[in-house]
This record gives sequence, C-alpha cells and structure tokens, in this order.
Amino acid sequence: QSVLTQPPSVSGAPGQRATISCTGSSSNIGAGYDVHWYQHLPGTVPKLLIYGTTHRPSGVPDRFSGSKSATSASLAVTGLQAEDEADYYCHSYDDSLSAVVFGGGTKLTVL
Amino acid sequence: QVQLVQSGAEVKKPGSSVKVSCKASVDTFSRYSFSWVRQAPGQGLEWMGRIISSLGRADVGQKFQGRVSITADESTSTTYMELSSLRSDDTAVYYCARGGGASHFDLWGQGTLVTVSS
Repeated sequence: QSVLTQPPSVSGAPGQRATISCTGSSSNIGAGYDVHWYQHLPGTVPKLLIYGTTHRPSGVPDRFSGSKSATSASLAVTGLQAEDEADYYCHSYDDSLSAVVFGGGTKLTVL
Repeated sequence: QVQLVQSGAEVKKPGSSVKVSCKASVDTFSRYSFSWVRQAPGQGLEWMGRIISSLGRADVGQKFQGRVSITADESTSTTYMELSSLRSDDTAVYYCARGGGASHFDLWGQGTLVTVSS
C-alpha cells in the first residue's frame, strides 16, 4: 500500500489529453512538500518529467504539466503520442515517516 | 559527463548480503545527497534510504532499518548500499539516484539487478 495513491491505469486516444492523479495527505503533499513526476519505460532508467510540482527539466516537452491542490497533485499529458506509453510515478516527502514516498505508479496506454 | 555508474548484476543466496556501489562523476560529490531506490518485478518504485556525505548521515526507510547500510566514500565519489538477510522478495533492480529528502531525483544510475535464489 503506497503512501501516495495513483490510479493503476489511464488511457487516451492519440492527440487527446490524459490526467494522472496522485493523492496524498496532510503529512506529505498537504504539508507543502513538492511533488515530482517520473516516466519509466520497461528496461530503462526512470526519467524526471516534472520537478517542484510544476517545473519541466530541459528537454521535456511542454505537453507535460504538473499541478497541485490541497493534498493531491496531477500530471497532465496533452496531445497524446504513442511514445508516451509508459509507467508514471509521483514522488514527494512525508514528514510523519521522515521518508521519501512514491505513488504506486500508473500505466498510461495510448489507444 | 555527469553520470552515476553502478556495479554489475549479482546472484545471492537467501540469508546472505549484497553490496552495490554507485560511482558519481559529478562536481562536489559531498554537496549532494544520494538515494537508493528499488523496483521488484511487476512492482513500483520503492525508496530505501539516502546518504548525505557532507553530514556523515544516512537516513533509512522504516521497512529497511536494521537490514540496510548506506555509506559513502568521498575520496572516490562512491556511495554503497548493503542489504543483509536477503530474501527472495529482495529480488529487484536497485537504482542509485542523486537527490532525496524533499528534492527530486535528477540523475539515476543504470540500475543493478540483484537476484536472490537458492
């Protein structure tokens, strides 16, 4: 059971928009800690997609965006492309556990 | 080139220990914290702990306390993760990553597969 809750799967047609939620609590996202997002393809290294809740590293397309509200965060992917099919993980810090916490991961399928 | 290079795959017996290394080609190694994250087959990412070498301090996740030791050698810019009392469910890919605490992981090692099997 992950401290941060993500839907197991999300799907969308090419060109459409997909949103992945990450629900936490008052000891992590709700405490004001940043949320970070990673894209992970099987057999590869996780790739930082969003850091500091809303910031994109250099090279990440602006089709990817992050947001946060209260105890939840979201990753939005617009203009879905086949190459976006991957597992996505949210990450934050929990001060009651004094630990880094991940969501359980969401598999994004482009139909 | 800034990178993290990990040691190679390991096959271990249940009850034994494994030590994985992660050499950083980064400026001012001691400025950063380095974490260890694992992914078991079919499972998600799981944070194990981190080392802040400048403070000489390691933080280990509750699940791994008593079984994991994270150390660093500043002279070689290398961090180590040792996991003891190995079980079959410790079979996983182990990653080192730069970052920890509330900060993001901006650099990852290539991963080390540890297989625990009798």
